[in-house]
Amino acid sequence: GQSLEQPSEVTAVEGAIVQINCTYQTSGFYGLSWYQQHDGGAPTFLSYNALDGLEETGRFSSFLSRSDSYGYLLLQELQMKDSASYFCAVRGNQGGKLIFGQGTELSVKP
Amino acid sequence: GAGVSQTPSNKVTEKGKYVELRCDPISGHTALYWYRQSLGQGPEFLIYFQGTGAADDSGLPNDRFFAVRPEGSVSTLKIQRTERGDSAVYLCASSLTTNREQYFGPGTRLTVT
Repeated sequence: GQSLEQPSEVTAVEGAIVQINCTYQTSGFYGLSWYQQHDGGAPTFLSYNALDGLEETGRFSSFLSRSDSYGYLLLQELQMKDSASYFCAVRGNQGGKLIFGQGTELSVKP
Repeated sequence: GAGVSQTPSNKVTEKGKYVELRCDPISGHTALYWYRQSLGQGPEFLIYFQGTGAADDSGLPNDRFFAVRPEGSVSTLKIQRTERGDSAVYLCASSLTTNREQYFGPGTRLTVT
């Protein structure tokens, strides 16, 4: 089968750094994406890794290790508005179909 | 420019009825995807289109579900003989091509009573 594992909940304080891990087991792999979703909102694209290494976009960074079937999202200088659900998603074939994890609910406390 | 739009935003229907959910992708995006999201879960892939053709419909749960994209832009997801288990948020996404990031619409919340 195909599965992605990520923690269900993470809590951190404003200004801190938090890392959300994702391990995957899929029949094909063409890249790992991260999406943010606020309550009642649409998933919003954050980052994409097709190759091993770190991608940095402002306060957010994403890392991929294909040999370990593992990636993470790093959020720095946390703000209250970062409280949301974060999903990792694997692109399993050339067609763009995304397989999502169950999501990590991030709560940022003052 | 405008993002992905979906109508209606909410749909309540009775068990056994037929529903249509509409998606307007971002102009110029050739790939269009439908996902379904239940509470507390990640989006679950249903079907995607490249242009007018359904390139992968492996996620459609059964033959009560059908989707079309006749002119390569707007898409309609059709559900026949709705069941209570079909209740979920139906999300549409589009991308410039299949290997680019997907932009999601706000979804249609379907409730089957």
